[in-house]
Amino acid sequence: AQRVTQPEKLLSVFKGAPVELKCNYSYSGSPELFWYVQYSRQRLQLLLRHISRESIKGFTADLNKGETSFHLKKPFAQEEDSAMYYCALSGMYSGGSNYKLTFGKGTLLTVNP
Amino acid sequence: GAGVSQSPSNKVTEKGKDVELRCDPISGHTALYWYRQSLGQGLEFLIYFQGNSAPDKSGLPSDRFSAERTGGSVSTLTIQRTQQEDSAVYLCASSFRDRPQETQYFGPGTRLLVL
Repeated sequence: AQRVTQPEKLLSVFKGAPVELKCNYSYSGSPELFWYVQYSRQRLQLLLRHISRESIKGFTADLNKGETSFHLKKPFAQEEDSAMYYCALSGMYSGGSNYKLTFGKGTLLTVNP
Repeated sequence: GAGVSQSPSNKVTEKGKDVELRCDPISGHTALYWYRQSLGQGLEFLIYFQGNSAPDKSGLPSDRFSAERTGGSVSTLTIQRTQQEDSAVYLCASSFRDRPQETQYFGPGTRLLVL
């Protein structure tokens, strides 16, 4: 079974402070990991994925297979980063014939001025 | 280009009625997914389509839920004999292919309220 855990429902930081949104996963194979973001009154959208090793809007995330984690980090938070963040895992199952995207329950980030 | 669209944006219905939710994926996307977003539950996978076939229906919560996709494009999610616990935002997403590394593009959702 695949499972994604985001331990913090709410996270509040001040503008300019570092921010880390935690994500741990459980999956027996080699996972594909993503962070999706939903800004207020906007649709859910991809922020970044581990396979691309990119930095989007100053955010980075490193896959740590030993700790089964994919934490999202940004050194200096901005007010416009306030949003709901979802960690997601995509993996094959049923002998490799199917796959699904499993989401964590999300972390609501608030960046205060 | 146009993104994923869903209709209606909001639906209020009475317990016991049937509802149909529609999803128009991005043109050319072969894979289509339905999720349910409830308070405190996050995003729950319901079903996905590759073309017109649904390889995985395991997420459908009960036999009151069904979905179909025609012409490899539009999909409808039908909930029969709605219950109050069906109240949620139903999200549709599409991707170019059904591969684990593919980005899913989400629609705005249909907010369903069952009274």
